[in-house]
Amino acid sequence: ETGVTQSPTHLIKTRGQQVTLRCSSQSGHNTVSWYQQALGQGPQFIFQYYREEENGRGNFPPRFSGLQFPNYSSELNVNALELDDSALYLCASSYKTGGVTEAFFGQGTRLTVV
Amino acid sequence: RKEVEQDPGPFNVPEGATVAFNCTYSNSASQSFFWYRQDCRKEPKLLMSVYSSGNEDGRFTAQLNRASQYISLLIRDSKLSDSATYLCVVNVERRLAFGKGNQVVVIP
Repeated sequence: ETGVTQSPTHLIKTRGQQVTLRCSSQSGHNTVSWYQQALGQGPQFIFQYYREEENGRGNFPPRFSGLQFPNYSSELNVNALELDDSALYLCASSYKTGGVTEAFFGQGTRLTVV
Repeated sequence: RKEVEQDPGPFNVPEGATVAFNCTYSNSASQSFFWYRQDCRKEPKLLMSVYSSGNEDGRFTAQLNRASQYISLLIRDSKLSDSATYLCVVNVERRLAFGKGNQVVVIP
């Protein structure tokens, strides 16, 4: 197991609603990234947080926002849900150093928007 | 052009056979390269990092060609348990860029 946990595992929401997804990072990891994976596609980078600050963002609209807490856990918030937001949302934690380290994924939250 | 391109397949492989596939990446500044394995409806899991000198882990061999900007994965003596999607992953600045994945189905 990676030590990265996400909640909830499954969620059904109605178009226009708001959702909050949660992630607990692996112990000792200070960086968390969120990815969206639509069916049949590879994961797409949403954003990354390092020491509670956003540290990079992918091509997602502002209604996708996030937080990282002092204990390095994290939240992904999505406002005004659209049908196309239905996907597997993955959280990945890593330890940022001068180089690049491996990322470890949680089991994901499967969001269905109806 | 996509950052990481893979032929999704599926690759139908007889048990015991060898299968190879590769991916290409567009950003020549990419620093790190990985293969991740993803089982159906599960999270990606790191299979192996890829180094310029090539590296091997049991039945799996990965190669990186920086000049041509492609990465390959070879699986020898395929097992039924190797059936999965193999994601080519490239580190671009602060994030990971994923290909669509190569779907491998090992057939008895």
